Amino acid sequence: AQSVTQPDIHITVSEGASLELRCNYSYGATPYLFWYVQSPGQGLQLLLKYFSGDTLVQGIKGFEAEFKRSQSSFNLRKPSVHWSDAAEYFCAVGASNDYKLSFGAGTTVTVRA
Amino acid sequence: EADIYQTPRYLVIGTGKKITLECSQTMGHDKMYWYQQDPGMELHLIHYSYGVNSTEKGDLSSESTVSRIRTEHFPLTLESARPSHTSQYLCASTDRGGSPLHFGNGTRLTVT
Repeated sequence: AQSVTQPDIHITVSEGASLELRCNYSYGATPYLFWYVQSPGQGLQLLLKYFSGDTLVQGIKGFEAEFKRSQSSFNLRKPSVHWSDAAEYFCAVGASNDYKLSFGAGTTVTVRA
Repeated sequence: EADIYQTPRYLVIGTGKKITLECSQTMGHDKMYWYQQDPGMELHLIHYSYGVNSTEKGDLSSESTVSRIRTEHFPLTLESARPSHTSQYLCASTDRGGSPLHFGNGTRLTVT
């Protein structure tokens, strides 16, 4: 069974500083990996996805993520955080032969001025 | 801009009432899902459907039921609401395996 671990429950970062959110997955084959963002009172919005190919993927809002098979990781990064990036971030894993995604518990990001 | 719509956004209801949470999508997706989300917890899949007249229970046991009579519509029903049902319910859809899920804005349910 596939599973996702997000080790950091809460991260506080200063505006303009860099951000990295960790995601580790467990899956037997090559996974499909996703990062979603959820603002308060909203549903989840897709930031980026990895299926295959280049292990560094670019997403919306200036985010990128790197797939590292050897570490079973798919960490999300942003070079310079804006106050509007304060939200909850979820990592998810799926597969081409499975229509369901497994989600991590999420990381809440607080941005201080 | 959401192509998947959930109503109501917020619902406060007393114990024992029957409720239906609505979910509709305009993308023609075959696959639809209901997730339950509590603060600080991962999203738990409670129901899913791969097409009309097809419904399955998810990984988290739930007292709710679902139906899929039309492709675009996937309502969730609680016959008798209890305080333990207080949570946020998210509806999602996709068109094929491995593709991202599209989410609605959720229904936040409070049972008093």
